[in-house]
This record gives sequence, structure tokens and C-alpha cells, in this order.
Amino acid sequence: RKEVEQDPGPFNVPEGATVAFNCTYSNSASQSFFWYRQDCRKEPKLLMSVYSSGNEDGRFTAQLNRASQYISLLIRDSKLSDSATYLCVVRGFAGGGNKLTFGTGTQLKVEL
Amino acid sequence: EPEVTQTPSHQVTQMGQEVILRCVPISNHLYFYWYRQILGQKVEFLVSFYNNEISEKSEIFDDQFSVERPDGSNFTLKIRSTKLEDSAMYFCASSVGEDTQYFGPGTRLTVL
Repeated sequence: RKEVEQDPGPFNVPEGATVAFNCTYSNSASQSFFWYRQDCRKEPKLLMSVYSSGNEDGRFTAQLNRASQYISLLIRDSKLSDSATYLCVVRGFAGGGNKLTFGTGTQLKVEL
Repeated sequence: EPEVTQTPSHQVTQMGQEVILRCVPISNHLYFYWYRQILGQKVEFLVSFYNNEISEKSEIFDDQFSVERPDGSNFTLKIRSTKLEDSAMYFCASSVGEDTQYFGPGTRLTVL
């Protein structure tokens, strides 16, 4: 089983659509969870941290289910500018340390 | 807003040559990291650095790699004898504590 697994996509959606991404991770000892956004040939940029209680930032909602080792990201009212690759990221994967373990990313294309 | 900076943006080198990639982390950050991303693949952890020593390294970070914080601001990655397979985007990151990491824009290394 991959350490952090995501559907690579691409997800092609019309502007204004709601889209959801899922991610699973294999090590229950992982400590922190994030969604990063990566534009083509650019650095990963933090989108949001993910908490068990769920958290929302504008049009973005993230959820963590520790029992199922499952992380989700929901984007509402998608914009053209949301087109990017969304990276599911886990910290402390092996039960310790600060290293980030990345999924391969899910590509989103928002179209007119 | 403070940012991580990296130089050069693109480095072309011949196989077997030494390269030094440079990073200036965010000024009040205490933890420093190098990651790499081979074209079309996921971001991979190389090494973390805290309190002037390596705190964690991956299997990729073999004897050909070294890191240094030569002064109060720079953080460098040296590859002693580059191989074709070292061609990748190298990202520096930093964090205040053991959580959110902020990435620099990357150095694209091309080994010919």
C-alpha cells in the first residue's frame, strides 16, 4: 500500500462546480495533515491544515478521519484560478520527525 | 510576507561535477529542509536540519549529499558528484517549529 495515496485525476469541472478530493494514508501514527496546492513547475504552497474536527477556509473544507486514515478536501464554487494539482501531505509519517510525506497529487482543471 | 528564497533558479551541470544549491529560509524559522521532485513524480523528502545538525535524512540522501548552514542566513545543499538521475527540482523549506513548512520556489537542476 502506498504511503499517501490519491487519485491522480485529472478532474475536469465547470466553473462554479463543487469538487471533492480524497486521500488515504497507510500509517496510523502520522501526526499532522495538510493540503498543499502546486501549480505547474512551481513550489508546493500550503492550502490548509486538516483537523479531526474539520476545518473550513472560505470555499475550501478539509476533513480528517483518523479511524479510516482518510483525508478529504471539498472545493465549492470552483474558479478558473483553482486549476492546479492538490497534494495530500502527512507529517511524522513514521511516527516521529518533521518530514513531510507527499501523495502524487490530484490534478484539477476548472473550465468555462 | 516573508518568503523562502533559493538560488539559482536553474542550474545546468555536467555529470560528475559538484553543485551547491542555496537557500535563505524565513528569518525566524529554526527548522530547515530539502526536498526534491523529479519531473512527473511526487515531492520527496531529502533531509531536515535543526540546531546546526541533521535531524533526519532519507535513503536518497547518501554520501554524495551534504548540507550546511555556513552563516546565520544561508542553508545549502551540496551534491558532490552529480549523476543523471539527480536531475530534478530541489525545494528548500523552513518552519518555525515542528509543524507548517513553507517552501521556496525551487532550483531546477539539469545534469547532462
